[in-house]
Amino acid sequence: QLQLLESGPGLVKPSETLSLTCTVSGDSLTSSPYHWAWVRQSPGGGLEWVGSVHYSGYSAKTSHNPSLKSRVTISVDTSKNQFSLRLASVTAADTAVYYCGRHFSVAGAGSEIDPWGQGILVTVSP
Amino acid sequence: IQMTQSPSSVSASVGDRVTITCRASQNINNWLTWYQQRPGEAPNLLIYSASIPRSGVPSRFSGSGSGTEFSLTISSLQPEDFVTYYCQQASTFPTFGQGTRLEIK
Repeated sequence: QLQLLESGPGLVKPSETLSLTCTVSGDSLTSSPYHWAWVRQSPGGGLEWVGSVHYSGYSAKTSHNPSLKSRVTISVDTSKNQFSLRLASVTAADTAVYYCGRHFSVAGAGSEIDPWGQGILVTVSP
Repeated sequence: IQMTQSPSSVSASVGDRVTITCRASQNINNWLTWYQQRPGEAPNLLIYSASIPRSGVPSRFSGSGSGTEFSLTISSLQPEDFVTYYCQQASTFPTFGQGTRLEIK
């Protein structure tokens, strides 16, 4: 059974870098046809796709929400079957529950995210 | 692509029929997904490609629409259905509606 579990610090200072990891069990990041996603949910409830990574061949290809510009980095640790999110220069607006999840594609058919991890709350505060 | 979901909240009774609407700012074909979210939990996939229910989803949940107008209908509300629902499009990259909170009248 596929399971995803987020981990990382729950508190990050403004202007620093948020770093989270999603550990995947029940599927292989390197041999799966799926994309692996990060989605966040603000305290007000709004959901926002952060970005996704797809491991193909021997390299990871990433895509991210244009609204986050160049602050997002998503990478894969093949030895641990984990993928990670780094979000640079955080502000209070980045405070959210961060979820990882799986989808077959970023756009079009198969873009639905299923399953999701349980989520991790990250607060940006001095 | 902007997704406008309505209503933002709705009050209903057990056994009622409820419809939630999602409107896209441009044509998204049928790339529309519905999720259900319980308090303190992650969203759960209900319906994808506008009208295909995920395996195991009760038959009282149905989706319809194409282009820019979509709807999620719950035919006979059960107590466990009074939670929050989100739509999501992925014509280019995923964006979500603002959510609809279903409350017991």
